[in-house]
Amino acid sequence: AQKITQTQPGMFVQEKEAVTLDCTYDTSDQSYGLFWYKQPSSGEMIFLIYQGSYDEQNATEGRYSLNFQKARKSANLVISASQLGDSAMYFCAMREDDSSYGKLTFGQGTILTVHP
Amino acid sequence: NAGVTQTPKFRVLKTGQSMTLLCAQDMNHEYMYWYRQDPGMGLRLIHYSVGEGTTAKGEVPDGYNVSRLKKQNFLLGLESAAPSQTSVYFCASSYAGLAGNEQFFGPGTRLTVL
Repeated sequence: AQKITQTQPGMFVQEKEAVTLDCTYDTSDQSYGLFWYKQPSSGEMIFLIYQGSYDEQNATEGRYSLNFQKARKSANLVISASQLGDSAMYFCAMREDDSSYGKLTFGQGTILTVHP
Repeated sequence: NAGVTQTPKFRVLKTGQSMTLLCAQDMNHEYMYWYRQDPGMGLRLIHYSVGEGTTAKGEVPDGYNVSRLKKQNFLLGLESAAPSQTSVYFCASSYAGLAGNEQFFGPGTRLTVL
């Protein structure tokens, strides 16, 4: 079974509107972390936001927030007030803490296009 | 601080040739990783290291070898390149421990095997 599933190959959003990128995960570990990375067309991987499995509050970083629903095993990224520069590939990733030495498992990614 | 650097940025090999990709980090991170990124497949872990002198296999280790002789460097070797190894290779590093330790990524190496 896929450990990280991103079901949206591509998403479109109008500039200044909010968009939600979906991520579901599968793990039997009690302790784990969920990450979102952005990959613009230039290719680098940019860390956006982190959510720990024991964190009770949803993580927020500026215009990024993570909608964490533990029972549903989902960790959706919400980008508010989209900007043209948000157009990129977005990856959800999971670190399972029990024995992983920080290894990340990535989803297949979602390409976000922001229209003016 | 340079962060994580990778050498080279681009390379074209012929089938059967060998090469080494170099990753260097100046953040004193204990953990280092090599990933490959193929279209439509996200990033997959090749090998990783939790400290100087130690390495371990990841999800797709076949055809690759690694070495970590110094804490700041992590080398990825292809002994006999195959077209299936055409990919973008990313190195990453992080602190040891569990809580929220993000991985810092290098800029990537685009490798083409003809």
